[in-house]
Amino acid sequence: GEDVEQSLFLSVREGDSSVINCTYTDSSSTYLYWYKQEPGAGLQLLTYIFSNMDMKQDQRLTVLLNKKDKHLSLRIADTQTGDSAIYFCAEAEGAAGNKLTFGGGTRVLVKP
Amino acid sequence: EAGVVQSPRYKIIEKKQPVAFWCNPISGHNTLYWYRQNLGQGPELLIRYENEEAVDDSQLPKDRFSAERLKGVDSTLKIQPAELGDSAVYLCASSSNPTGSGETQYFGPGTRLLVL
Repeated sequence: GEDVEQSLFLSVREGDSSVINCTYTDSSSTYLYWYKQEPGAGLQLLTYIFSNMDMKQDQRLTVLLNKKDKHLSLRIADTQTGDSAIYFCAEAEGAAGNKLTFGGGTRVLVKP
Repeated sequence: EAGVVQSPRYKIIEKKQPVAFWCNPISGHNTLYWYRQNLGQGPELLIRYENEEAVDDSQLPKDRFSAERLKGVDSTLKIQPAELGDSAVYLCASSSNPTGSGETQYFGPGTRLLVL
């Protein structure tokens, strides 16, 4: 079965870079996603990467995908206090990617 | 454009009582999802609809949970009777599943359920 794992917690100083790591097990995953969840809110899609790519950059966000090791990371450059939240990675199954399996989330705390 | 709307935002009930959650997806989105998010965990899919058809309800506890999407737009998720372990956040999501861009799911704010 599928299993997505993330570290529980990350503390970073404002202005530094944050790197959140994720491992997954389903080699057939077509898309991999990063979502952000602030307290009391739903999940906000940050970015996604197609499985035939190894990197995607979107402003302050950089996604790296190592398909051989089934490892996904999200780098946030110049981390701001507003980046404090829980970050979830998710893998999508199959060609249509209809089913998402989420990791347990990484709580990021940005210290001023 | 309005996002996914859910109501109520919070619900407190006693165990054995029924409860219902409502979701209105983004206009034009054919696919609707219900997830349950337990404290400190990621969301887990309960049921997925394509229009009015439930195409994946394998994770829905059918003894007490039911869902419907009669006209293929808004949806209701019901628990009857509720148990203490049902306390969680129930998230609704929708997607249009446009070709070539993967399954971009947009989430509502969720309904936080507390069963006493």
